[in-house]
Amino acid sequence: ETGVTQSPTHLIKTRGQQVTLRCSSQSGHNTVSWYQQALGQGPQFIFQYYREEENGRGNFPPRFSGLQFPNYSSELNVNALELDDSALYLCASSLHDGREQFFGPGTRLTVL
Amino acid sequence: QQQVKQSPQSLIVQKGGISIINCAYENTAFDYFPWYQQFPGKGPALLIAIRPDVSEKKEGRFTISFNKSAKQFSLHIMDSQPGDSATYFCAASKHGTNAGKSTFGDGTTLTVKP
Repeated sequence: ETGVTQSPTHLIKTRGQQVTLRCSSQSGHNTVSWYQQALGQGPQFIFQYYREEENGRGNFPPRFSGLQFPNYSSELNVNALELDDSALYLCASSLHDGREQFFGPGTRLTVL
Repeated sequence: QQQVKQSPQSLIVQKGGISIINCAYENTAFDYFPWYQQFPGKGPALLIAIRPDVSEKKEGRFTISFNKSAKQFSLHIMDSQPGDSATYFCAASKHGTNAGKSTFGDGTTLTVKP
């Protein structure tokens, strides 16, 4: 059984650019949630994907978008990057009706 | 509006002591309360979780106490060890289709001194 994996590990972008982060869910898990963790803060829920559709969204603007693929892996896309988007982006997988989430190691995004 | 408030922000405990971290929530629709442990450079890992139909849950050295009327829950780490030094997050989520959409506290950095 493989755990949640994320790529890349680190990423540096400049303001205004676009970025795509990737996540492979734990074997057997059909639901993927994305979180943003700013330095010194707890993770903040961005959105969740189930059956390739967005299934709930936190307080994030539309320039944060995502995809889920038939194999349950997922992408997080952020357009028009801002300095405040610098954070650790975490992906968590779970069963749809399961509260227990398993987190990946995260992608550290730095926006200059 | 922060829905889950966590305290203290940081905590220093001697080896063998008891570490206590507290959380308070506002939304009475929350019905699942996990605690996560996060080491530097790693994602959060589920430590222990509780549902509001019980007042206490114990797993090894880790215990969650839950007070539904006060809307508070706490993590107790007994016989704290240097390897427990990490950042701890409480979280809360709702049932049903909202499962897995967790609201987190801001974390407590625990340092256990040898």
